[in-house]
Amino acid sequence: DAKTTQPPSMDCAEGRAANLPCNHSTISGNEYVYWYRQIHSQGPQYIIHGLKNNETNEMASLIITEDRKSSTLILPHATLRDTAVYYCIVRVRVTGRRALTFGSGTRLQVQP
Amino acid sequence: SAVISQKPSRDICQRGTSLTIQCQVDSQVTMMFWYRQQPGQSLTLIATANQGSEATYESGFVIDKFPISRPNLTFSTLTVSNMSPEDSSIYLCSVRRDLAGGYEQFFGPGTRLTVL
Repeated sequence: DAKTTQPPSMDCAEGRAANLPCNHSTISGNEYVYWYRQIHSQGPQYIIHGLKNNETNEMASLIITEDRKSSTLILPHATLRDTAVYYCIVRVRVTGRRALTFGSGTRLQVQP
Repeated sequence: SAVISQKPSRDICQRGTSLTIQCQVDSQVTMMFWYRQQPGQSLTLIATANQGSEATYESGFVIDKFPISRPNLTFSTLTVSNMSPEDSSIYLCSVRRDLAGGYEQFFGPGTRLTVL
């Protein structure tokens, strides 16, 4: 799986959009970009994934650059409950027996 | 998604003892995994629990320390043996569910272990 780089921490004001970047310059053509988050003392929670098109669901939007070397997770109206560690993971979607591997992620602090 | 429960949710144990953590899934899944999350750290994969055969361990983890069972497609256990304070972590069960076009991975709530 391709390596990802994320800033260690970010702050965001409540009600504003939170934009979390992720660099994955070595991504290959069949690798997807996945985002998970881990709220304190809970198991990681799936947020969204994409291959090359921008994606949106009820939780967030995922913007992938045209060259696919970076992406941004957008939480459109951050709330205090969005305070968590956000993990960007790049992997092949259809694969063998390998489990997800986690980097250090970005710790997002939503400020009141 | 998959509904995953773990027991116990937390425990405080004495050095030298062992603890078995249970993971139950609401429906059959193809694969189950166990992770460890040490304080302030990211998740580290311990092993893949294989139904009907021995677990597959990652580098740095051994069966004598972390024996794993998976008797069926919805249940697995992880035992932390001969515990020391360095084993104080959150232990997470995770499952893979095959979907059209690929698969997704879901996580249980975790078991918070403190070893004194």
